[in-house]
Amino acid sequence: AQSVTQLDSHVSVSEGTPVLLRCNYSSSYSPSLFWYVQHPNKGLQLLLKYTSAATLVKGINGFEAEFKKSETSFHLTKPSAHMSDAAEYFCVVRALNAGNMLTFGGGTRLMVKP
Amino acid sequence: DGGITQSPKYLFRKEGQNVTLSCEQNLNHDAMYWYRQDPGQGLRLIYYSQIVNDFQKGDIAEGYSVSREKKESFPLTVTSAQKNPTAFYLCASSIGQTNSPLHFGNGTRLTVT
Repeated sequence: AQSVTQLDSHVSVSEGTPVLLRCNYSSSYSPSLFWYVQHPNKGLQLLLKYTSAATLVKGINGFEAEFKKSETSFHLTKPSAHMSDAAEYFCVVRALNAGNMLTFGGGTRLMVKP
Repeated sequence: DGGITQSPKYLFRKEGQNVTLSCEQNLNHDAMYWYRQDPGQGLRLIYYSQIVNDFQKGDIAEGYSVSREKKESFPLTVTSAQKNPTAFYLCASSIGQTNSPLHFGNGTRLTVT
């Protein structure tokens, strides 16, 4: 079975400071990993994906994530937060041994203070 | 522009009534999915379809039904048997390969009173 744990349900940062959203996964097969963002009453938008190529993945809006197999982590970072980054973020894993289905983390709500 | 369209955005129904949520995609994706999202929670899979005329139950299929008669369309019916239907419903589609992401619609918020 595969699982995803987002270690913080809420993260609060000041505008202009770095963002770190933590994600740990378990999967007995080489997984694909994704980060999505959801603004209120909207669908999920793909930020970035890891699919066994480069371990440091760059996404949209200045976000990036690093796949660390030894730590089974896929943390999302951004050097400088903007007010528009305030949203819910989901880490997602997908693997063949799980029937190719996606498993979602519980989400992290990012708040950005002016 | 290609994408996924969910309609309506807001839906209100009386308890005991069936209601159908629409999901249409023009991305030519084989796989389509329905998720339910409750406040402060992640997404839970209701049903998915990997090909036309075939669909599978997800983790919380009880009280829901779907059809996949066309590649572009995957409507979800919330039946009166669903005990707690008030939620935000998200439809998604994908190419179906392991490394392909899901593309999401903007959701339908269903309120049953």
